Amino acid sequence: DIQMTQSPSSLSASVGDRVTITCQASQDISNYLNWYQQRPGKAPKLVIYDASYLETGVPSRFSGSGSGTDFTFTISSLQPEDIATYYCQQYNTLPLTFGGGTKVEIK
Amino acid sequence: QVQLVESGGGVVQPGRSLRLSCAASGFTFSSYAMHWVRQAPGKGLEWVAVISYDGTNKYFADSVKGRFTISRDNSKNTLYLQMSSLRAEDTAVYYCAKGGWFGDINRSDYWGQGTLVTVSS
Repeated sequence: DIQMTQSPSSLSASVGDRVTITCQASQDISNYLNWYQQRPGKAPKLVIYDASYLETGVPSRFSGSGSGTDFTFTISSLQPEDIATYYCQQYNTLPLTFGGGTKVEIK
Repeated sequence: QVQLVESGGGVVQPGRSLRLSCAASGFTFSSYAMHWVRQAPGKGLEWVAVISYDGTNKYFADSVKGRFTISRDNSKNTLYLQMSSLRAEDTAVYYCAKGGWFGDINRSDYWGQGTLVTVSS
């Protein structure tokens, strides 16, 4: 199985800050990577697919980059509504696997 | 708009069975693979199973292989997860998720709101 290592596990930032989360795959997954946002008590929502493509309706302050084994997710200017846990997920190979999540809080 | 509504969760004793359903609308259900993903209380996400658009191909996580089955009824736009020999570690919110179009089985995008399964005596 492909292991997805996500860091940090949590972070605290101020409104307007730039926030960066990284995800490393245990083997080459090309660009088959999703980023999901999960607000407290809600279902995960797709934010980025194919490593760098913004899902329809998602604000442009969210972005993703990377390919192969190393990926980055960025919120360019943190907003209060971005408080959530973010997960990376590879879909290069079954079983689908997820990173451990990054809990984003407001300082 | 895509809607996925899970049902069938509840409290069940260890060793018993339970069937979850996921009613889909807002897209051509018969053209897409479908997944089940679960989340134990306070934990991360774990993929459970996927079924191809026509039901011919099915894949399972090792943790549920031999105990869970996945099926679909394209005439009813409904996905199912039959769970048997349930264990305490199966306690989780179970989400259905829309997969990829036709052969693109691995993709996932929209998720339902989830249904809670609690395995306890």
